[in-house]
Amino acid sequence: DAMVIQNPRYQVTQFGKPVTLSCSQTLNHNVMYWYQQKSSQAPKLLFHYYDKDFNNEADTPDNFQSRRPNTSFCFLDIRSPGLGDAAMYLCATSRRQGYEQYFGPGTRLTVT
Amino acid sequence: GQQLNQSPQSMFIQEGEDVSMNCTSSSIFNTWLWYKQDPGEGPVLLIALYKAGELTSNGRLTAQFGITRKDSFLNISASIPSDVGIYFCAGPPIGADGGSQGNLIFGKGTKLSVKP
Repeated sequence: DAMVIQNPRYQVTQFGKPVTLSCSQTLNHNVMYWYQQKSSQAPKLLFHYYDKDFNNEADTPDNFQSRRPNTSFCFLDIRSPGLGDAAMYLCATSRRQGYEQYFGPGTRLTVT
Repeated sequence: GQQLNQSPQSMFIQEGEDVSMNCTSSSIFNTWLWYKQDPGEGPVLLIALYKAGELTSNGRLTAQFGITRKDSFLNISASIPSDVGIYFCAGPPIGADGGSQGNLIFGKGTKLSVKP
C-alpha cells in the first residue's frame, strides 16, 4: 500500500544534542510537509517542500531545518533541541498544494 | 487570516449514540477535509468534500459541505468505542484567483471520549 513512513516512532535526545527525524513516502507526491504537534493542539506547520522548492513558515525557529534529497525522502533536523521542542512531529504529503494531505504516524520526540 | 472554528471542543459518547460536530469559518472554502487522530498516531483522512452541498459517507461517517461554503458537518452514527479520538476539520485557504492554494488550515479539534 502507498504510504507515508516515519522513523523512528519514538526518539529521545539530550538537551542541545542534534537530532534528525526522517520521513519517506511511496505516494510519489510532489509536496512534503513537516508539522509540530503538542498535546491536544492542532498540528502546526513548520516547513513544506514543493518538489525541491523549500518554504518555511515565518514563525518556525531557526533551530529547525529540513532537507529533501529526492522525491521520496524528507528530513527534519533540530540543531540544538530545547525542552520546549518535545512534541509529536508529523510528516505529510500531498499531490499539490491545496490538495488533501496524507500523514505519517509521527515521531514522538522527548528531550531530557 | 482564515480560521476554522470547531464545536464542540469535547464531547462524551455512549456506545450506540449518534454524534454530530461542526466546523465553521468566516471565509469561504472550496474544500473541506475531516481527519481523525488516535492517541500517539498521525491524523487519518476520513472524508474529503469538494462541492457546496455535497454529502459524502464513509461507513458510519457522513459529512456535508455547507451551502454557504462557510461550514461543514461530520456525523457519526451508532458510535463504538474505537470512535474515540480527536477529529480535525481542515481546508486550504482561497487565493486571490478564487482557487484553493497554500497549506491547510486546521481547526482546533473535537475530542471524543467515552462516557464513564
